[in-house]
Amino acid sequence: QLQLQESGPGLVKPSETLSLTCTVSGGSISSSSYYWGWIRQPPGKGLEWIGSIYYSGSTYYNPSLKSRVTISVDTSKNQFSLKLSSVTAADTAVYYCARHDGDIDAFDIWGQGTMVTVSS
Amino acid sequence: QSVLTQPPSVSAAPGQKVTISCSGSSSNIGNNYVSWYQQLPGTAPKLLIYENNKRPSGIPDRFSGSKSGTSATLGITGLQTGDEADYYCGTWDSSLSAGWVFGGGTKLTVL
Repeated sequence: QLQLQESGPGLVKPSETLSLTCTVSGGSISSSSYYWGWIRQPPGKGLEWIGSIYYSGSTYYNPSLKSRVTISVDTSKNQFSLKLSSVTAADTAVYYCARHDGDIDAFDIWGQGTMVTVSS
Repeated sequence: QSVLTQPPSVSAAPGQKVTISCSGSSSNIGNNYVSWYQQLPGTAPKLLIYENNKRPSGIPDRFSGSKSGTSATLGITGLQTGDEADYYCGTWDSSLSAGWVFGGGTKLTVL
């Protein structure tokens, strides 16, 4: 059973860079038809797609965050990562990693999420 | 302001039926598949419906989806207290600001 697990600091200072990693277990990140994405949810609010990556390294980013986002993949570790620069309090959220199955065009497997707070 | 519009809340009694709407445009719902996600309190979202009306393995047939034009609808019959959750629609938006978009979410209360 494929599982995703987010990891990274739970507290980031304003203006610094938020860094998270998603570890994929129970399957290969290099499988075709799958993209790997980051989605966030501010406290009490809805879901916001941040971006997605294919195992080859091709990326798609939310235009509203594109200038601050970098998503990368490490196939040797079966991981993909998120970097969000120049963070502010507005970036405080639960960050989820998820698998996007291109065959069904949906996010079918999600990690449990990790809370990141931006505060000095 | 979400690209996809959902009602903030809906409610119904146990055993009844409820529908949740998701309104978009030709650049998103009108030309792409819609999926629906259930988020129980304190948990990650879970895929309920994909390709407008298909259910993943393990999702009961009490949950259904449909799409017409630039709107989609999630239906839930035989409501149970365990269905109390937030529900989100999602799809790809092919506009100049292309990307995956979600609705603002709908809180379902089972009275």
